[in-house]
Amino acid sequence: SQQGEEDPQALSIQEGENATMNCSYKTSINNLQWYRQNSGRGLVHLILIRSNEREKHSGRLRVTLDTSKKSSSLLITASRAADTASYFCATDEVRGGSNYKLTFGKGTLLTVNP
Amino acid sequence: NAGVTQTPKFQVLKTGQSMTLQCAQDMNHEYMSWYRQDPGMGLRLIHYSVGAGITDQGEVPNGYNVSRSTTEDFPLRLLSAAPSQTSVYFCASSFKWGAGGYTFGSGTRLTVV
Repeated sequence: SQQGEEDPQALSIQEGENATMNCSYKTSINNLQWYRQNSGRGLVHLILIRSNEREKHSGRLRVTLDTSKKSSSLLITASRAADTASYFCATDEVRGGSNYKLTFGKGTLLTVNP
Repeated sequence: NAGVTQTPKFQVLKTGQSMTLQCAQDMNHEYMSWYRQDPGMGLRLIHYSVGAGITDQGEVPNGYNVSRSTTEDFPLRLLSAAPSQTSVYFCASSFKWGAGGYTFGSGTRLTVV
């Protein structure tokens, strides 16, 4: 079953603009991760934010987490054509017993136009 | 480092045939998993392993078997291929569960006719 849901499904911007993608989830989590997937390739891990963290930065990426709203956002600043890809959020849900499952959303397709 | 290596990259099977998708990692990762990716469905977990000799089912395990005899290898077996198993399959690993993000292989594109 889908835990994370990205919004919007697709986003088209001009080079140099900022891109913001959102992820909402349903249950309590231990951490939330963002991944990028270029067309025809495997996923690449971008950033992990734990449930007790509110914001993390990595280069041009900024991720926020609001556990009260069960949502996260990924901001890419000063976007480049090379940022064109699908972006997925993935959640490690809090469950009883042994739970070693990372659940992915369906992704946001970002297109950055030169 | 090679990272996570998946073979083959492409495969066409006839309905009812069996095959094994290979996944190997050289990073001494304890955790390994298999996902399938279908249009509009995102990634769905098939099976995972938290260490050699330990495997468990994910969200969509039916029709697939796994084993983990070594830390490095985590093959996925299709027992009797069906058209519904046409998909792109990804293997992913991490050092330990919860320790960080996954490293993904480049995928196997499987078509069952």
